[in-house]
Amino acid sequence: EIVLTQSPATLSLSPGERATLSCRASQSVSNYLAWYQQKPGQAPRLLIYDASTRATGIPARFSGSGSGADFTLTITSLEPDDSAVYYCHQRISWPLTFGGGTKVEI
Amino acid sequence: QVQLQESGPGLVKPSETLSLSCIVSGGFISNYYWSWIRQPPGKGLEWIGYIYDSGTPYYSPSLKGRVTMSIDTSKNQFSLRLSSVTTADTAVYYCAREDSPYWGQGILVTVS
Repeated sequence: EIVLTQSPATLSLSPGERATLSCRASQSVSNYLAWYQQKPGQAPRLLIYDASTRATGIPARFSGSGSGADFTLTITSLEPDDSAVYYCHQRISWPLTFGGGTKVEI
Repeated sequence: QVQLQESGPGLVKPSETLSLSCIVSGGFISNYYWSWIRQPPGKGLEWIGYIYDSGTPYYSPSLKGRVTMSIDTSKNQFSLRLSSVTTADTAVYYCAREDSPYWGQGILVTVS
């Protein structure tokens, strides 16, 4: 099973700042990595798929990078509405797995 | 616009079987992988498994032996059954189309 380790666990930043979230896989997942945003009481929302492709309707402030085993989600110019938990998810290897999440506090 | 909606009992007794369905509207169920994911209260996401339209399921090893998934292409819906539940199975259960932004709103199932 591929383990996804996200860091940091919590990120506290101010509006307008830049957030950098990390997701490290226990083995290569090529580029089969997605990022989700989840707000309290809501289903996860797909932000990025295939490591760097923004999903439809996702603002350009959100960007993904990386391949193999190291990935980054960057949120530039944070807005209060970006407060959420962010999860990475790999789909290259069964069983599919999620990272433990990074909570972003604005 | 594809929409997914989970349905089923919100309360299940310990040792009984949890049964949920997910109806897909606005699109066809064929040619995609359909997943079940769960989230215990205050915790992270756990992938339960997925099923393809041919009916071949893939289950998480951590739940294997207790999980059964099925798909009914004529009704555009797929289902989850989890047997011998315990309080540890209390969670919000989501259905989703794998590799897509399409998720259900989730249904809280409490084992008590």
